[in-house]
Amino acid sequence: GQNIDQPTEMTATEGAIVQINCTYQTSGFNGLFWYQQHAGEAPTFLSYNVLDGLEEKGRFSSFLSRSKGYSYLLLKELQMKDSASYLCAVRDGDYKLSFGAGTTVTVRA
Amino acid sequence: GAVVSQHPSWVICKSGTSVKIECRSLDFQATTMFWYRQFPKQSLMLMATSNEGSKATYEQGVEKDKFLINHASLTLSTLTVTSAHPEDSSFYICSARGGGEADTQYFGPGTRLTVL
Repeated sequence: GQNIDQPTEMTATEGAIVQINCTYQTSGFNGLFWYQQHAGEAPTFLSYNVLDGLEEKGRFSSFLSRSKGYSYLLLKELQMKDSASYLCAVRDGDYKLSFGAGTTVTVRA
Repeated sequence: GAVVSQHPSWVICKSGTSVKIECRSLDFQATTMFWYRQFPKQSLMLMATSNEGSKATYEQGVEKDKFLINHASLTLSTLTVTSAHPEDSSFYICSARGGGEADTQYFGPGTRLTVL
């Protein structure tokens, strides 16, 4: 099975940087994904890591360490529209995604 | 690209009735689709994996006779909640395997089901 942990809530100021950590213990690993989900909407794909290291996509970056079972999502230059829930998900060898409970990020002016 | 639609976006029904939810990949073919359920302030829980032309694979604890899944074509999967009860009220989200470098799943907008 999969055990995925991430903080429940985080608050930051507009323009700041926030780092959302995710730790996982899995029975199979075939990639780690980060999704953004606004209330009442479906998740949208943000980033993907399958090898160790940092992947940068504009204001969002994601890091993976497979040996430590650890990932983080870095949000830079925070904007009000970034207020949302951020989901860490691990894919297993059967292509199934297991999701963490999500981290609600609130951006304040 | 990689757009997934769901219909209806919300539905209210009486207890004991059946509800069908459609999931379509609009601009790509998806041999594999997934159905999730999400309760308020909780994460997505995988219910079943739907493969085109074959029977769906259900996760442990999900009743296959209650949640009927049909994947009749490469762009359409349906979930039918049979004899719905208030405890089935939830947000149901489908996704489609999108291929490409990440081969990620693309999610539909979800269906809010309320059973009275």
